[in-house]
Formats: sequence, structure tokens, C-alpha cells
Amino acid sequence: DQQVKQNSPSLSVQEGRISILNCDYTNSMFDYFLWYKKYPAEGPTFLISISSIKDKNEDGRFTVFLNKSAKHLSLHIVPSQPGDSAVYFCAAWYGGSQGNLIFGKGTKLSVKP
Amino acid sequence: NAGVMQNPRHLVRRRGQEARLRCSPMKGHSHVYWYRQLPEEGLKFMVYLQKENIIDESGMPKERFSAEFPKEGPSILRIQQVVRGDSAAYFCASSTGTDNSPLHFGNGTRLTVT
Repeated sequence: DQQVKQNSPSLSVQEGRISILNCDYTNSMFDYFLWYKKYPAEGPTFLISISSIKDKNEDGRFTVFLNKSAKHLSLHIVPSQPGDSAVYFCAAWYGGSQGNLIFGKGTKLSVKP
Repeated sequence: NAGVMQNPRHLVRRRGQEARLRCSPMKGHSHVYWYRQLPEEGLKFMVYLQKENIIDESGMPKERFSAEFPKEGPSILRIQQVVRGDSAAYFCASSTGTDNSPLHFGNGTRLTVT
């Protein structure tokens, strides 16, 4: 039973364009969402997060949008750069750091020069 | 580098042996989490510990797996009598434990059971 779903295993984007990574969740108890980026042979690196009381959070080239009614969130990267090529994981929890973080299976982003 | 430190990076064990994975959290972090990643899968929660306490072990297999975070020293994930299905990347993360503070991950230990 997957509570956090990333339905696109991979995404290819041209350098300079926008990358949009999508994530759906099923558990309405989730109240905080995070995006992590992972390079091969490294651990996930925290990118950006959003609370369920917000619908948008922006940090430089990265923006996360949350649609609670649709149980959907997305990560926008603009402009995309070749160094952004990595696997991106969506994660969610309730209870904050006291709970366990539920991860999606990830989307592999390739940004072509 | 004050990040989460895991060792060893790679560990090879024969079936039936024991595997010990170590994790030192970031400086100032007192909460440690262990996750496992199987090929083509996301990270799966195993256990959440604070110093000398297991807070949540709902993701730990009932047998052969144990974890500790002693008052002094690193957190240890121990797998006894390893089987081929235990082959995976094991990631440790730490946090301050304050509300919604993100988890910071180490680079993982790749366990291979032959």
C-alpha cells in the first residue's frame, strides 16, 4: 500500500527549461511534505519542504506547490541545469520529526545540455 | 565535515554472518533514523531512536534486526544471520527532533550478502 506515489519513473528536460516533478499521496493525515534529491552512491539531500497549511513554497530555482484537495504536490525547477540531473524523492509525514518519513519511489530527472 | 557519517560504505557478508552498520549523527542532532533502500524502490523506514531509547521500530523486521543508540558512541544497526534478501543500501539520518526539522542523511552503507 503506497501512501506516496511518484508515477513517473523518469523525466527528460532540456537545459534552461522548466522541470515539473509530480507526487500524489493517499493519507489525508500527512501535514508536511519534503523533496529530496539523490545522486548515485550518495545519500538523499534535503531540497525544499511545505506545510499543509500552505499551497506554495519557493527557494531560488525550486518551488513546491501543494493541492490538498487533490492530494497532489509538484516540484518545479526553473531554469533546469545539467547539475540537477538526479533522482528526486517526494516524502511526507505527520507528527513532524517524531514520526517516520514516507518516501515515494523517486523520479529520475535528466537535464540535457 | 559535520554531516551524518556512516561506515563502512560497503560491506560484504556471507549468508549466516552478522552485519554491523554504524552511524554518527550530525553535531547537535539527538534523533537518529534508519532507512533501507532496495533496488528500484524508495527508502523504507526501519527505526527511529533517541539516545538510549527506541522511539519507533515499526519498520524493523521482527527477527534478526536490532538497533541501538547508546549514550556514548554511534548508532548501530545489527543484522544477524544475514540472508541474500538483506542486500540493500542502508541509510541513516539525523535531525534535531524539533517540529518538522528535515532529516539529514548519510551516504549509506551498501550491504551485499553472498
